[in-house]
Amino acid sequence: EVQLVQSAAEVKKPGESLKISCKGSGYKFSNYWIGWVRQMPGKGLEWMGIIYPANSDSRYSPSFQDQVTISADKSISTAYLQWSSLKASDTGMYYCARGGGDKRTIVLDYWGQGTLVAVSS
Amino acid sequence: EIVLTQSPGTLSLSPGERATLSCRASQSISSIYVAWFQQKPGQAPRLLIYGASSRATGIPDRFSGSGSGTDFTLTISRLEPEDFAVYYCQQYGSSPLFTFGPGTKVDMK
Repeated sequence: EVQLVQSAAEVKKPGESLKISCKGSGYKFSNYWIGWVRQMPGKGLEWMGIIYPANSDSRYSPSFQDQVTISADKSISTAYLQWSSLKASDTGMYYCARGGGDKRTIVLDYWGQGTLVAVSS
Repeated sequence: EIVLTQSPGTLSLSPGERATLSCRASQSISSIYVAWFQQKPGQAPRLLIYGASSRATGIPDRFSGSGSGTDFTLTISRLEPEDFAVYYCQQYGSSPLFTFGPGTKVDMK
């Protein structure tokens, strides 16, 4: 069974750094993309970026480029999303999702349960 | 950048009724790049449809997708109580790599 298990909720202050994780199981982790999606309170879904764990090839949404860093450690089947300096506007739910599909497309077919990040002074 | 518009914003229906949700793209996209997701309160999104018309694993056949070019549709043939949720369309392929529509809320009349 494919599963993505995300790290627990975080409460942080503005300016602090943070790294959240997403651990995959039930499939060959390195051979599928892992994407990150933000959902701000009461709002819709925003794609942030995606990484291919086999070679760490990563792509970012222009809206999130230089705001976050996506990485992966294929040896422990885990992807990460990190911030160097959080802002209150980073408050939201963050989902990881597996990128399945074929050579022509990527389909976000399995999702983690989400990690809630709250940033407040 | 491709922009997705979903209509209506909210659809108020009763169980057993048919739901028709629309997703319009600002420019033509290949149907293989279109997906639909369902999200219930407090839950992660769930993939329903990919390639515009293929049901994901475990999705009941009352859910169907169709469309081409700039106009795509998600149809729920007979609403079950568990189908009341928010539905998002999504496209893959143009920068940004993924774009989501703003969502359609299907609520109970």
